[in-house]
Amino acid sequence: QKEVEQNSGPLSVPEGAIASLNCTYSDRVSQSFFWYRQYSGKSPELIMSIYSNGDKEDGRFTAQLNKASQYVSLLIRDSQPSDSATYLCAVNPDNDMRFGAGTRLTVKP
Amino acid sequence: EAQVTQNPRYLITVTGKKLTVTCSQNMNHEYMSWYRQDPGLGLRQIYYSMNVEVTDKGDVPEGYKVSRKEKRNFPLILESPSPNQTSLYFCASSWRGLAGVDTQYFGPGTRLTVL
Repeated sequence: QKEVEQNSGPLSVPEGAIASLNCTYSDRVSQSFFWYRQYSGKSPELIMSIYSNGDKEDGRFTAQLNKASQYVSLLIRDSQPSDSATYLCAVNPDNDMRFGAGTRLTVKP
Repeated sequence: EAQVTQNPRYLITVTGKKLTVTCSQNMNHEYMSWYRQDPGLGLRQIYYSMNVEVTDKGDVPEGYKVSRKEKRNFPLILESPSPNQTSLYFCASSWRGLAGVDTQYFGPGTRLTVL
């Protein structure tokens, strides 16, 4: 069983809509959770980090963490074509880092 | 400018010919890591280092070696490359906070092809 699971997509939303990306993880001791964005051919870059249960908002992005359900999500409000990318969920269970396979998001004008 | 650099960016080699991919960071980060990225599999950690002279295996260490003699450098060594090591490789560095590994800063990637 994969340790970090994401829907591979592709997820397609119209411009201005809310995009919802989901991630589940298997290791209960995980303390740190991250969402990275990766454009095609580029390196991943951090969108959000979250460490406590609940919501964390940063501009158009909201990360949600539920440790009891081992679930972390990313909401993108007012989606823009420039948000089209692959979104990687990452979890830090110990001293290593575990990434999901990524969800490809397309925002259509 | 804070950055992680990797060299080379592109490399085509043949089976069995030893190679080294260099990685350097200028942010004084303790934690450094190597990943490979393959279609449909996402980023998989090869090796990581929590500080100088401290390295540990990630998910897919077979066929790779690393060393951490200086804080800023973390080279990846393929002693005898094979075609299944054809991949996109990323180096990353970060602080380690109270909650563990913090935000990873990634290098630009090295695309390796082993014939």
